[in-house]
Amino acid sequence: QVQLQESGPGLVKPSETLSLTCTVSGGSISYYYWTWIRQPPGKGLEWIGYVSDSGDTNYSPSLKSRVTISLDTSKNQFSLNLRSVTAADTAVYFCARSPRYSNYYFDYWGQGTLVTVSS
Amino acid sequence: HSALTQPASVSGSPGQPITISCTGTSSDVGYYNYVSWYQHHPGKAPRLMIYDVTKRASGVSFRFSGTKSGNTASLTISGLQPEDEASYYCSSYTSSSTFLIFGGGTKLTVL
Repeated sequence: QVQLQESGPGLVKPSETLSLTCTVSGGSISYYYWTWIRQPPGKGLEWIGYVSDSGDTNYSPSLKSRVTISLDTSKNQFSLNLRSVTAADTAVYFCARSPRYSNYYFDYWGQGTLVTVSS
Repeated sequence: HSALTQPASVSGSPGQPITISCTGTSSDVGYYNYVSWYQHHPGKAPRLMIYDVTKRASGVSFRFSGTKSGNTASLTISGLQPEDEASYYCSSYTSSSTFLIFGGGTKLTVL
């Protein structure tokens, strides 16, 4: 059974970089798209961006200048870096998988991790 | 303000059917058949229920079905069961540079 697990600091200071890792178990990281999604408190879900198994990326225009998503196939992990964070970046961050033939839906998700931006 | 519009809450009694709507525009829901639905119990990983508007994900009960008319997609649950109580989110591909958008979520209460 495929499982995704987010990990990283739960508290980040304003202007610093938010860094999260998603570890994939029970399956290969190849032949899929790997996505980060977030949910600010009391709000809906927001697509952040994805990385393909070949390393291609696509980011939300609203975050593109601050975000990097990368893949580490040797560890079966992918990561999110979000620079220059503010309180508006406080959210539950989810990692998710899309099939290679269709990156328009997510067949597996992590349970999410809350990241608070505060000094 | 979410890109897709869902009712904040719906409720129904066990055994009854309910429908959750998801309204977008002609740039997303209305034009593309890439609407998906997710069930989310607090503290757990969201679960894919429906993809490509009407296709049930693996292991999903036949009680769950998806449809679309114009700019509005719908998720119908026939024969509500207590374990269906959760939040439900819709998502759609969009031709805008945002690529993928979600609804604000609907909390389903089984009375």
